[in-house]
Amino acid sequence: SAVISQKPSRDICQRGTSLTIQCQVDSQVTMMFWYRQQPGQSLTLIATANQGSEATYESGFVIDKFPISRPNLTFSTLTVSNMSPEDSSIYLCSVVSTYTQYFGPGTRLTVL
Amino acid sequence: DQQVKQNSPSLSVQEGRISILNCDYTNSMFDYFLWYKKYPAEGPTFLISISSIKDKNEDGRFTVFLNKSAKHLSLHIVPSQPGDSAVYFCAVPKEYGNKLVFGAGTILRVKS
Repeated sequence: SAVISQKPSRDICQRGTSLTIQCQVDSQVTMMFWYRQQPGQSLTLIATANQGSEATYESGFVIDKFPISRPNLTFSTLTVSNMSPEDSSIYLCSVVSTYTQYFGPGTRLTVL
Repeated sequence: DQQVKQNSPSLSVQEGRISILNCDYTNSMFDYFLWYKKYPAEGPTFLISISSIKDKNEDGRFTVFLNKSAKHLSLHIVPSQPGDSAVYFCAVPKEYGNKLVFGAGTILRVKS
């Protein structure tokens, strides 16, 4: 299995600011994803973080709002830009290891 | 277009009894199906999966049943324990082994 850590675990931010969330995996993985869970909702895939190339975004998500970096096979960042209260969610990093998808503990973001 | 539906937002069961969580899907082409469990303030944890070529998969107290003709799968937990109290998500891969589409989740409460 893969062990995933995320920083920060939670944050409260002001409208219009940006927050960068870090995801660290204890082993090299090819596939890494970012998901969002809005209050009372299910998990929704934001994008695939590709190592060495631009992230691949799902419908409804754009790079300007959610820029992603993937400098190597164990680390990725997701930035939530120009935040609004609607961005209040849990953001989760996920990786595929041995054909199973594992999730980090999540970052709980509250935007005031 | 919801590809995966969990129509019961919550379920309450007495300790020692059976918990049955249900999930319906729309696309007959899914290759396999997964169940995840999520505690508050934690990321989802992989629980059990089933290939579309099977109709049952068992792992200890957890059994998943697949009814392809009805496009329905269910997770049975026997016997239920208070530690099983969590949110349970069914999920299907949007692409093989990679992007997951989640149901809305069912909150399971096991009463002691």
